[in-house]
Amino acid sequence: EAGVAQSPRYKIIEKRQSVAFWCNPISGHATLYWYQQILGQGPKLLIQFQNNGVVDDSQLPKDRFSAERLKGVDSTLKIQPAKLEDSAVYLCASSFVAKPSEQFFGPGTRLTVL
Amino acid sequence: SQQGEEDPQALSIQEGENATMNCSYKTSINNLQWYRQNSGRGLVHLILIRSNEREKHSGRLRVTLDTSKKSSSLLITASRAADTASYFCASRMGGNKLVFGAGTILRVKS
Repeated sequence: EAGVAQSPRYKIIEKRQSVAFWCNPISGHATLYWYQQILGQGPKLLIQFQNNGVVDDSQLPKDRFSAERLKGVDSTLKIQPAKLEDSAVYLCASSFVAKPSEQFFGPGTRLTVL
Repeated sequence: SQQGEEDPQALSIQEGENATMNCSYKTSINNLQWYRQNSGRGLVHLILIRSNEREKHSGRLRVTLDTSKKSSSLLITASRAADTASYFCASRMGGNKLVFGAGTILRVKS
C-alpha cells in the first residue's frame, strides 16, 4: 500500500521568497492535514481538510500561508513571503474520516529559510 | 501552545534495558497516542489509548493513562538499537485535532 507522498523532500530559499509543498494522501483518505514541526518541538497542526473543504485552519498564519485541496485529493501548501522562523519540517498526514485518530504521515519537507 | 509536555527530554540507555517516557497534558481528552519519529522521517503511529482505558499493550510497548493526573507513560521493554528515535505523545481533544508534545529523544546504545 502506497503511503503519503510529499515533495520536495528538501528546500532552501531566502527570506521573502515564496515556496510551495505538495502532498498526495493515501488513496481513500478524505481527511488531509498539514503540520509544521520546528526543530526540537512536536508537530503543530496548520490546517485540516475534509475532501476539499477546510475543517480547521485556526493555527495557519493566513497573512503568509495558504493551502488548497481543489479536487479533494492532493494538496499544496504555500508560503509567501517566507520568514526565517518558517524554517521547519512540513508534514502532511491523512486519515479516513471515520478514523481521525489513525493518521498516516508522509516523510515531510525540510524547509530552510536563509 | 503545546498540549503535552514530555519527560525526560532525552534518554540514553543500553540495549536490553527498559525505557520509560512520560507525558502530561492540560485538558480533557478523547484519547492519547504515541508516535515514533526516526531521524529525517515522518511519524509512525505506535499505540492509542482511549480515555476510559488505563493500560494497553502492543508487543514490547506498554502504555498507561491516568486521567486524574492528566498523564501517560510509554514503556519500551528490552530495547533495541533500532528503537533509537524521538517519541511523541499526542492528545486528541474534542473534534479531530491532535496536539503533540515536544517529544523525548531516545538513544539505545548497542
